[in-house]
Amino acid sequence: DVKVTQSSRYLVKRTGEKVFLECVQDMDHENMFWYRQDPGLGLRLIYFSYDVKMKEKGDIPEGYSVSREKKERFSLILESASTNQTSMYLCASSLSRTGRGYTFGSGTRLTVV
Amino acid sequence: GNSVTQMEGPVTLSEEAFLTINCTYTATGYPSLFWYVQYPGEGLQLLLKATKADDKGSNKGFEATYRKETTSFHLEKGSVQVSDSAVYFCALSMYSGGGADGLTFGKGTHLIIQP
Repeated sequence: DVKVTQSSRYLVKRTGEKVFLECVQDMDHENMFWYRQDPGLGLRLIYFSYDVKMKEKGDIPEGYSVSREKKERFSLILESASTNQTSMYLCASSLSRTGRGYTFGSGTRLTVV
Repeated sequence: GNSVTQMEGPVTLSEEAFLTINCTYTATGYPSLFWYVQYPGEGLQLLLKATKADDKGSNKGFEATYRKETTSFHLEKGSVQVSDSAVYFCALSMYSGGGADGLTFGKGTHLIIQP
């Protein structure tokens, strides 16, 4: 089974801190995605990457950046955390970019205080 | 742009009841359609999918049929169990030859099954 591992289950950070959320997949997938999940808003795409060193903005990239230096690792970076970035963050990977066979990690619940 | 609309929750049912969760979509072109499920404390898992009109996806007793004429993909199950309690997400993706931009999700429907 494909595994997508997110490094932290829960994180608490202070406003203004630089925050790194790490995601690693073990099946040599080309495509990786970061979503945030908020009550009443569902999942919204922040960034995705279809190859090493490639990145594309999703629907809500403001306040975030990403890094993909190795195929298996996709990092989400909050340059200066703010309270409105308190959310559940979900990483996903897939062979195909069409959504067939996405595998999601268990999520990181980030609280910014 | 593309969008997915699904019924608001929470939906509360008794065990063995019939389940329908409505999902409609707006898309330019012909999307692939999905239902994902999120159990408490976990990430999302693919429940079922359909890639073209009139396809029926099915898994674990759940079914959904891709209806192009009504732009719908309603999720159904004949007899729900307590273990089906979860949040259900309808989603679509597009592939234009140049590559897709990930999944577009509905807001999710929280299903609660009471014994």
